[in-house]
This record gives sequence, C-alpha cells and structure tokens, in this order.
Amino acid sequence: NAGVMQNPRHLVRRRGQEARLRCSPMKGHSHVYWYRQLPEEGLKFMVYLQKENIIDESGMPKERFSAEFPKEGPSILRIQQVVRGDSAAYFCASSPAPYNEQFFGPGTRLTVL
Amino acid sequence: EDKVVQSPLSLVVHEGDTVTLNCSYEVTNFRSLLWYKQEKKAPTFLFMLTSSGIEKKSGRLSSILDKKELFSILNITATQTGDSAVYLCAVPRGGNTPLVFGKGTRLSVIA
Repeated sequence: NAGVMQNPRHLVRRRGQEARLRCSPMKGHSHVYWYRQLPEEGLKFMVYLQKENIIDESGMPKERFSAEFPKEGPSILRIQQVVRGDSAAYFCASSPAPYNEQFFGPGTRLTVL
Repeated sequence: EDKVVQSPLSLVVHEGDTVTLNCSYEVTNFRSLLWYKQEKKAPTFLFMLTSSGIEKKSGRLSSILDKKELFSILNITATQTGDSAVYLCAVPRGGNTPLVFGKGTRLSVIA
C-alpha cells in the first residue's frame, strides 16, 4: 500500500532552467496539494488540484509557476526560469476527499545554483 | 488572515520526561486541527481533532482541542530519543482544505 510518491527526491538546476516535480497520490486519493518549505520556515500552501482541475491556486506565485493533475499520470509542479529564491523543499500531499487528513510525500529538494 | 502559532519554538528534554506542545489558532469557519511529526523528510500525520474536549490518543502521544479558547495541546509522555522531531500544527484555511501551518516546535530528546 504505497504512500504518496514524489520524484525526483533531489533536483539541482542552474538559474534560468526549468524544474519539473512529480507527485503520485496515494491509491484512491484524487485530491492533491502542493506545499513549499523554505529553510527555517513553515510549510506554505501553493496549489490544490483535483483530477484535471485546479481548485485553489491562491498560494502560487503569479509568474513562472504552474501545476497540473491530468486524468492519467502524476501531478506536476513546473517552475520555469528558476531563480535562487526557488531553492526549497516542495511537498505534495493527497487526500481521498476534501476535509480529510492529508498524507505527505517525501518531498523534492530543489537547489538552484 | 488565518493564523497558527506554536509554542515553544524549541524544546530540549531528557529521555523519560513528559512534554506539552501548544498550538493556538485563528481561522474563519473552523473545521479541524491537525498535528504532524516531521523528521528529516515528510510530515507524518498524527491526529485530526474536530471536537472540543475529546482526547485523541496513540501510544504515548495524546492531543486535545479547546474550541472556545482556540488552542490545542500535544502531550508526549515518557519521551524517547526517537521522538526528536519538529511537531507541526495545522488548520484548514478558511474552512477549506488547504492547510495553514504553524512554524513548528523542534523537540530534542537527549539520552
């Protein structure tokens, strides 16, 4: 009974490159949430998706960041033209329905050189 | 704006001690409060509390919610070195599902 899967676990990019982070929710979960954790800061909500729909993207920076959760395949968080300030741990969580507890993946640690 | 404040920010105790971690919150349309344990990786779900005064228990960990005073506590009895972690408190924002997290309490248990 696999938990939330994220890959890659570590990602290094140079400034200006693109970063793609993937998240496969737990089996039976159709709600996916992305959070970012900056060094020495708490987890901050970015975007909430259900299959093929973005439900809430109020925590997402307006530029360079996008997310999707297609009918088939994992959810993807995409960061274009990365900058040093994007270096952080990006966590994905999933739940079977709204208002249920959210289960977190191991995170992707993005380092921008 | 929805807010979660945890205290203390860090705590060092000896094995066998009992600790109490605090979480206060301000949120519109309160639905629930969640506790997570974060070691060097993913936050691990501990408890979800929705009703005041009903203690939830799992082994040496227990938690209770006070909806009148807007806070929750997490108790850990007979602490072990394996309890060393950051403990996070979170509430769904505005009654919706995205979570607002506190900054966490970093607990260090020394032998």
